[in-house]
Amino acid sequence: QVQLVQSGAEVKKPGASVRVSCKASGYAFTAYYMHWVRQAPGQGLEWMGCTNPNSGGTNYAQKFQGRVTMTGDTSIRTAYMELTSLTSDDTAVYYCARSVAVGGPNDYWGQGTPVTVSS
Amino acid sequence: HSALTQPRSVSGSPGQSVTISCTGTSSDVGGYNYVSWYQQHPGKAPKLIFYDVSKRPSGVPDRFSGSKSGNTASLTISGLQAEDEADYYCCSYAVNYNVLFGGGTELTVL
Repeated sequence: QVQLVQSGAEVKKPGASVRVSCKASGYAFTAYYMHWVRQAPGQGLEWMGCTNPNSGGTNYAQKFQGRVTMTGDTSIRTAYMELTSLTSDDTAVYYCARSVAVGGPNDYWGQGTPVTVSS
Repeated sequence: HSALTQPRSVSGSPGQSVTISCTGTSSDVGGYNYVSWYQQHPGKAPKLIFYDVSKRPSGVPDRFSGSKSGNTASLTISGLQAEDEADYYCCSYAVNYNVLFGGGTELTVL
């Protein structure tokens, strides 16, 4: 069965970077885009961007351009999202989710990784 | 790109129907049939309940239906049940390879 298993909770100081991983199983990793979506406490879902593990191509939301990097390692079927220059506004749960295309539906989601930014 | 517009909350009694709207622009909802809907219970990951405006994934009850008219998409839940109480988010593909979510709607089953 399809599973996306994310890395554990992170606590970071302002100005630091965080890297979240998402290990996929149960499907052809390179056949699907991997999206990253975050949710601040008590807030809605926010699309950050996505990567095509087959080509390495990426599409980032304008808000995160220059601060986010999304990659994939096909040898271990794992996607990564790195966010730099963290502020308290980046405190959120970060989700990975797969789709067949950039505009395609996210049919499977990871369990979420809480990231707390605090001095 | 601004988030899609959803009502903050809706409510209904068991057995009733409710409709949640999702308003965008011609650059997103109105321009593409790539609208999806997600249900999220507290502390859980979102769950896909509709895609491509009106397609329902297997396992989603047919009490749920989706539609679109112009720049507004809608999710209708008929025969409300207690387990339908959750947050609902619309999502649309937008120009230049972007994706937008709605602000979310809290559904309360009275």
